[in-house]
Amino acid sequence: DAGITQSPRHKVTETGTPVTLRCHQTENHRYMYWYRQDPGHGLRLIHYSYGVKDTDKGEVSDGYSVSRSKTEDFLLTLESATSSQTSVYFCAIGSRDREGIADFGPGTRLTVT
Amino acid sequence: DAKTTQPPSMDCAEGRAANLPCNHSTISGNEYVYWYRQIHSQGPQYIIHGLKNNETNEMASLIITEDRKSSTLILPHATLRDTAVYYCIPTKNSGGSNYKLTFGKGTLLTVNP
Repeated sequence: DAGITQSPRHKVTETGTPVTLRCHQTENHRYMYWYRQDPGHGLRLIHYSYGVKDTDKGEVSDGYSVSRSKTEDFLLTLESATSSQTSVYFCAIGSRDREGIADFGPGTRLTVT
Repeated sequence: DAKTTQPPSMDCAEGRAANLPCNHSTISGNEYVYWYRQIHSQGPQYIIHGLKNNETNEMASLIITEDRKSSTLILPHATLRDTAVYYCIPTKNSGGSNYKLTFGKGTLLTVNP
């Protein structure tokens, strides 16, 4: 299995609090992605990164920010969590020599009450 | 990106071949067809991809029609562990860059004993 870990795996937080999810990889892959998955919507891309300090928005980026200060870590931050951000969050990684092939992490289940 | 149509659900008997269809009639010439699957509560997993030739690997076979408007993923001997949601994802390949995968609703394949 690809070396991808996500932390925490489960989190319950209150509306209005900041939350940071971490994705860590040991594959030295250039590309990293954050997706969210909700019933009825499937997986949707939030943000992605194509290198250290190089990030861009995906389909559903409002309310989220990301940072990538080193190759192995990609952080997703909810500045002020809302109930609509209750979801399962998946991190994925990819490399230039495996185009279109992404390896996904185990997911983080976030509940905002 | 090309739109896809997949049946929402299919059943298959254990040990039999599972044939999962995907219609992608608006696919463009530089789009490959990627297949992923997602077993319950896990992150998606890459299965196979192709451009216009049929492909086979240790997991599955991919048959793409000559006009490239549809494809079929074949699991030759389905097992209970193949029960999952299967996604067909046309994705551009421009040489050297990784891509942001766009997931649809997929097909829930249930393998029955």
